[in-house]
Amino acid sequence: SQQGEEDPQALSIQEGENATMNCSYKTSINNLQWYRQNSGRGLVHLILIRSNEREKHSGRLRVTLDTSKKSSSLLITASRAADTASYFCATRSNFGNEKLTFGTGTRLTIIP
Amino acid sequence: DAGVIQSPRHEVTEMGQEVTLRCKPISGHNSLFWYRQTMMRGLELLIYFNNNVPIDDSGMPEDRFSAKMPNASFSTLKIQPSEPRDSAVYFCASSLVGGGSTDTQYFGPGTRLTVL
Repeated sequence: SQQGEEDPQALSIQEGENATMNCSYKTSINNLQWYRQNSGRGLVHLILIRSNEREKHSGRLRVTLDTSKKSSSLLITASRAADTASYFCATRSNFGNEKLTFGTGTRLTIIP
Repeated sequence: DAGVIQSPRHEVTEMGQEVTLRCKPISGHNSLFWYRQTMMRGLELLIYFNNNVPIDDSGMPEDRFSAKMPNASFSTLKIQPSEPRDSAVYFCASSLVGGGSTDTQYFGPGTRLTVL
């Protein structure tokens, strides 16, 4: 089963609005990462948050992590048409090896 | 840096044929990952290598799939014989793991495989 589960599965908002996506996971993690995938392309890393961090910012992106709830959220502020893509969370476990386990993704559509 | 390079970008083959996908990771990275993405199953890790050694191949679906990494700059994923259910986009990713690195993965553009 997927370690990470994003919700919603799909989200459509007007350009300029903020978009929030959530990710839940099941086991203890070392870090959690968010990736973006444009249609027909490979995934691109956006931001990483470590298990001892609660919030991180990068440009218009804000990520929060709540390890007690095993959940994370990605906020994109002032959305643009170019933000239209699928967004995935990925977790690296505290146990075992370096592999990442990806969630099912949120399909974000920005309406111009 | 050219990023992760995959070839071919598209492959159409007939059931029963052998398919070989190729990947060149980013120079200096020590880990390489092969993923498969489908609508039904999402993004699945098939196998990953660290310092050219296979570490975890638990995601390889069956014996028809094999992967090699003969050196730090090249890896192959082979399917023999191919079946229609193998149709998917196959991604290769590389990262630098250890020594305080962030283990961010860098993905290639993918190979879209269609097995008829």
